[in-house]
Amino acid sequence: DIQMTQSPSSLSASVGDRVTITCRASQSISSYLNWYQQKPGKAPKLLIYAASSLQSGVPSRFSGSGSGTDFTLTISSLQPEDFATYYCQQSYSTPPITFGQGTRLQIK
Amino acid sequence: EVQLLESGGALVQRGGSLRLSCEASGFTFSSFAMSWVRQAPGKGLEWVSAISGRGYSTFYVDSVKGRFTISRDYSKNTLYLQMNSLRAEDTAVYYCAKDLRMGATLDAFEIWGQGTMVTVSS
Repeated sequence: DIQMTQSPSSLSASVGDRVTITCRASQSISSYLNWYQQKPGKAPKLLIYAASSLQSGVPSRFSGSGSGTDFTLTISSLQPEDFATYYCQQSYSTPPITFGQGTRLQIK
Repeated sequence: EVQLLESGGALVQRGGSLRLSCEASGFTFSSFAMSWVRQAPGKGLEWVSAISGRGYSTFYVDSVKGRFTISRDYSKNTLYLQMNSLRAEDTAVYYCAKDLRMGATLDAFEIWGQGTMVTVSS
């Protein structure tokens, strides 16, 4: 199974900050990498698919990059509604689909 | 509007059984693979099972193989997860999710239900 490792596990930032979250795969997954946002008590929401494609309706301050084993999610200017937990997910070598452990983004 | 509505979660004893349902609306149900993803209290996301659009192929995480069965009813636009021999470690919120792309399987998950809680008591 492909292991997905996110860093950091938690992060404190302020409104307006630029934030980057990293996801590393245990082997190459080409660009089969997706990012989700989850707020407490809510279902996850798809933000980015295929490493860099912005899902419809998602603000353009979110962007994704990378290929192979290393990927990043960047939020260009944090907004109050962006404080949440973020997960990466690989859909290259399946089953199983695997997720990263999550990155909790908190207000500083 | 595309919607998924889960039901069936409950408190059940270890070794018991439960069937979860996920009613889909707003899209052509047979054109998209569907999955179940769970989240134990305070933990991350774990993919559990998937079924192709036409239902010919099913997939499971190793920890539920032989215990859980995924299926779908096209007349009711409903996805199911039959869970048998439940264990304490199956305690979680269970989400159903729709694949992003038509005809794909085990893809990104575009739409998620609100989740249904399964608690297995020991």
